[in-house]
Amino acid sequence: EVQLVESGGGLVKPGGSLRLSCAASGFAFSTYTMNWVRQAPGKGLEWVSSISRSSIYIYYADSLKGRFTISRDNAKNSLYLQMNSLRDEDTGVYYCARATYCGGDCYPEYFQHWGQGILVTVSS
Amino acid sequence: QSVLTQPPSASGTPGQRVTISCSGSSSNIGSNTVNWYQQLPGTAPKLLMYSTNQRPSGVPDRFSGSKSGTSASLAISGLQSEDEADYYCAAWDDSLNNVLFGGGTKLTVL
Repeated sequence: EVQLVESGGGLVKPGGSLRLSCAASGFAFSTYTMNWVRQAPGKGLEWVSSISRSSIYIYYADSLKGRFTISRDNAKNSLYLQMNSLRDEDTGVYYCARATYCGGDCYPEYFQHWGQGILVTVSS
Repeated sequence: QSVLTQPPSASGTPGQRVTISCSGSSSNIGSNTVNWYQQLPGTAPKLLMYSTNQRPSGVPDRFSGSKSGTSASLAISGLQSEDEADYYCAAWDDSLNNVLFGGGTKLTVL
């Protein structure tokens, strides 16, 4: 069974930093593109970032303007999101999601499995 | 503001057929397949339809998807109370190298 478990969320002040982690199990982590998607309170889904299986291709939402960094450790079956210079508008639930298998380093065609999400609150 | 445009709300009575639209452009829906996600209240999103018209295992055949040009649609026939949820379309954008989501449609079963 595919499991994605996010951790590292919490309350942080504006301008602060936070590192989210996603522990994956139940599938060959190193062969899939992995992703972060977020959802502000009462709002819709917003794609944040994706990283291909060998980290060759990394994509970010334009709105993040270099503040976030996605990474992965295939030996530890883990995905990360380093978030710096956090703003009020970064508040929300952050989901780790696994893309469908594509057989190589590729963009995320669709998100086949999702974690339960982790809350990040940016507030003074 | 989302690049993929969905109506904010839709509604129907049990047994009815409802359709949710998703409008994009040539660099996203016009060039790539469309995917749909269902988010029940208080839960994580779930893949509902992929590659425009393919249903993952376990999704009832009451759900169907289609695409024409730069627009896509999700149709739900035989509406049931458990279909009450938020629905999001999504597609890869070749120009932005981004995944784009629609703003979401809240479906109410009257």
